[in-house]
Amino acid sequence: GQQVMQIPQYQHVQEGEDFTTYCNSSTTLSNIQWYKQRPGGHPVFLIQLVKSGEVKKQKRLTFQFGEAKKNSSLHITATQTTDVGTYFCAGTGGGADGLTFGKGTHLIIQP
Amino acid sequence: DAGVIQSPRHEVTEMGQEVTLRCKPISGHNSLFWYRQTMMRGLELLIYFNNNVPIDDSGMPEDRFSAKMPNASFSTLKIQPSEPRDSAVYFCASSLTWRNTEAFFGQGTRLTVV
Repeated sequence: GQQVMQIPQYQHVQEGEDFTTYCNSSTTLSNIQWYKQRPGGHPVFLIQLVKSGEVKKQKRLTFQFGEAKKNSSLHITATQTTDVGTYFCAGTGGGADGLTFGKGTHLIIQP
Repeated sequence: DAGVIQSPRHEVTEMGQEVTLRCKPISGHNSLFWYRQTMMRGLELLIYFNNNVPIDDSGMPEDRFSAKMPNASFSTLKIQPSEPRDSAVYFCASSLTWRNTEAFFGQGTRLTVV
């Protein structure tokens, strides 16, 4: 079945530094979604990308969808302590595969 | 709307016992997903339903796991018999459709099998 890989697994940054997480799929995706999970919480939807090469921004967050629709990235500029959590990408393939999540990147911020 | 509601929030049970997890999706959502989250394996899709019909259960680990959706407002995930390796947080999520729409997650059920 569909597999979604995400790197890195953990990322330690100093507050104010930038952060990027990368997502790769074994198959072409119809869309890519990004979620954030705070410690002890549940995943919360951030954004969805559908078009090849699409770029979307939410304040300090920039999301990209690759031209081949098999990879994506999330970039956070000037991290803040409120950005702490695990960021997941999730994708749906062309068949009947359900929404498949990557293993997530745990963002740890040191003040 | 109160969002996706899961119960119980926590469950501690002994190995060999039957465990039933419950989920009420958001009204009007046609798709429902069950996920299991562990540190080692991350968020695993177990099964999902569209219009109450199971579409893909390839993620269900073994025959000990079963899921039902008798109507649009209720789903259960049952483990019988439970084993210590089933200990995890189980999330239910719902969405308008099974593709291209955001998934709304419940608070999760933390299951501990001793």
